[in-house]
Amino acid sequence: QSVLTQPPSVSAAPGQKVTISCSGGSSNIGNNYVSWYQQLPGTAPKLLIFENNKRPSGIPDRFSGSKSGTSATLGITGLQTGDEADYYCGTWDTRLRAWVFGGGTKLTVL
Amino acid sequence: EVQLVQSGAEVKKPGESLRISCKGSGYSFISYWIAWVRQMPGKGLEWMGIIYPGDSDTRYSPSFQGQVTISADRSLSTAYVQWNSLKASDTAMYFCARQSTLYGSGSYSDYWGQGTLVTVSS
Repeated sequence: QSVLTQPPSVSAAPGQKVTISCSGGSSNIGNNYVSWYQQLPGTAPKLLIFENNKRPSGIPDRFSGSKSGTSATLGITGLQTGDEADYYCGTWDTRLRAWVFGGGTKLTVL
Repeated sequence: EVQLVQSGAEVKKPGESLRISCKGSGYSFISYWIAWVRQMPGKGLEWMGIIYPGDSDTRYSPSFQGQVTISADRSLSTAYVQWNSLKASDTAMYFCARQSTLYGSGSYSDYWGQGTLVTVSS
């Protein structure tokens, strides 16, 4: 069982918006930056969002991140079939003294 | 161009030892942490541990402490993860990833290796 809790799956139609939640506690999300990763089938994870809400160069502004208290959220607007992937949140846990990932959320674009 | 290139797929028997590698290029290898992440078949990402090649400071996830050894060779710009006695449950894809810092600002994995598939079967 992961320290960070994500919904196993979400789905939406092309062009629509979806949000993916990541819930933790004071030892992780509550006091550390959150990053988000996209893993397309059969590929390595790719950084989507860092430090809660910043996008690396090359990541479209359709992807956004936010954090409030001990939860974080990834938002994706204008969904495309190419966005079908697994999405993971991650952060440092000061109690475990280790990085932790959420269990991952599978996005289906119907 | 920053690149992390991992060693090729491995097929091993239970009880055998193994070391897989991750070679960094296009940046100052000693100035960034290298993390190792496990992904078992059909499962999510699990953080195993991390090393700072600059001074070999190494941290392990409690779940992986004592199960693997993470090391780095600064002269080769290469990080490693090693098993002394593999189990069938070590069958997984293993990724390496670069981080600027362990926690705080810069604590995220911005570049990832392509992954190394390790299969342990009798």
